[in-house]
Amino acid sequence: GENVEQHPSTLSVQEGDSAVIKCTYSDSASNYFPWYKQELGKGPQLIIDIRSNVGEKKDQRIAVTLNKTAKHFSLHITETQPEDSAVYFCAAQLDYKLSFGAGTTVTVRA
Amino acid sequence: DTEVTQTPKHLVMGMTNKKSLKCEQHMGHRAMYWYKQKAKKPPELMFVYSYEKLSINESVPSRFSPECPNSSLLNLHLHALQPEDSALYLCASSQDRQGGHSGANVLTFGAGSRLTVL
Repeated sequence: GENVEQHPSTLSVQEGDSAVIKCTYSDSASNYFPWYKQELGKGPQLIIDIRSNVGEKKDQRIAVTLNKTAKHFSLHITETQPEDSAVYFCAAQLDYKLSFGAGTTVTVRA
Repeated sequence: DTEVTQTPKHLVMGMTNKKSLKCEQHMGHRAMYWYKQKAKKPPELMFVYSYEKLSINESVPSRFSPECPNSSLLNLHLHALQPEDSALYLCASSQDRQGGHSGANVLTFGAGSRLTVL
């Protein structure tokens, strides 16, 4: 099956700075890579995703890049705000199944 | 309506109790999922229903029994649980199990039911 590794496990940034979370996957057949944000007491919420035929996607302050050759993808958050504090999960889809990374706890310091 | 609604939000039960978790979606999705999430861990897949039929059981103990009464509803029946089953149980739905025409299995999660087994 697919194995997704996510780093770092915790990330503390000053408000206004950028945050970067990196993930690697093991199976080159994986074709869809979503990122979920989970706030305390809530379910995971899809914030951005990328398909295997695209190298980069941007949505306002959030961007995702995918390097299929190296089998890694990254989440970039610019101009961080306190409301960006949450746990972020990357995932890779192989067939029907999403395999999640271990999660990154992001804390934005005011 | 782009929500997945789960009830109850919190549930405390004893090891001999029988209880159920409920999930509802009105997005016309034909795949529904149960995930289990322990504290500070990612969600773990338990069951997948596709077109109201159980298609995937990730070797879940029989004390967890899923049911899909119709295309909008998903239940998880709980019986004789153990304290280690205490967790957040998440329901999710997607267009279909294979991700529809795009091949991307876009999941929408509910807020979860937090279960405590005493």
